[in-house]
Amino acid sequence: DTAVSQTPKYLVTQMGNDKSIKCEQNLGHDTMYWYKQDSKKFLKIMFSYNNKELIINETVPNRFSPKSPDKAHLNLHINSLELGDSAVYFCASSRRGSGWEKLFFGSGTQLSVL
Amino acid sequence: QQPVQSPQAVILREGEDAVINCSSSKALYSVHWYRQKHGEAPVFLMILLKGGEQKGHEKISASFNEKKQQSSLYLTASQLSYSGTYFCGTGGYSGGGADGLTFGKGTHLIIQP
Repeated sequence: DTAVSQTPKYLVTQMGNDKSIKCEQNLGHDTMYWYKQDSKKFLKIMFSYNNKELIINETVPNRFSPKSPDKAHLNLHINSLELGDSAVYFCASSRRGSGWEKLFFGSGTQLSVL
Repeated sequence: QQPVQSPQAVILREGEDAVINCSSSKALYSVHWYRQKHGEAPVFLMILLKGGEQKGHEKISASFNEKKQQSSLYLTASQLSYSGTYFCGTGGYSGGGADGLTFGKGTHLIIQP
């Protein structure tokens, strides 16, 4: 069983479209995250979320919004896609806040905006 | 605050050793090390929490200095499978809250036969 799974693996879309990436974890973890990895391989935190709080990286445009229907799911919605949004997006989870807990990553979603 | 990793890239022959450094201008709650192979997700290697701590994982080990501002990852007698990008991640600035890890820019390690 995959611990952290995200779909789709590849997403190709046109500028201006709205798209979603889904993420599910079966580890019983309290905290989930979205990371963006650009073409230079820089891994950047976008959001972290647990039952009680959503922490947003201030540099993330408000076109990006996380949605969590329950503790095991954290989906990423992106509105009005732009060329610069092309990247690999990783979902991750940890048992608690990641200061002391290791992260488990999903396999990534390669987003290409044309 | 993003930790600073060095070097940016290393090319080694199989069997050689490497050291990757990760530093911060302020004391850290923790340091994590991850390895990412091309086209794959980052995979956890180890976490260090205490000043002066050292940990080992087969031929890969790491240390965290007393002031908790620098960590080093040691790869001994490197194998082809060690190739990849190594990231250090720091977190817990808010005392362990769910604020996610901040990763360094990565060190690309290439092991040649």
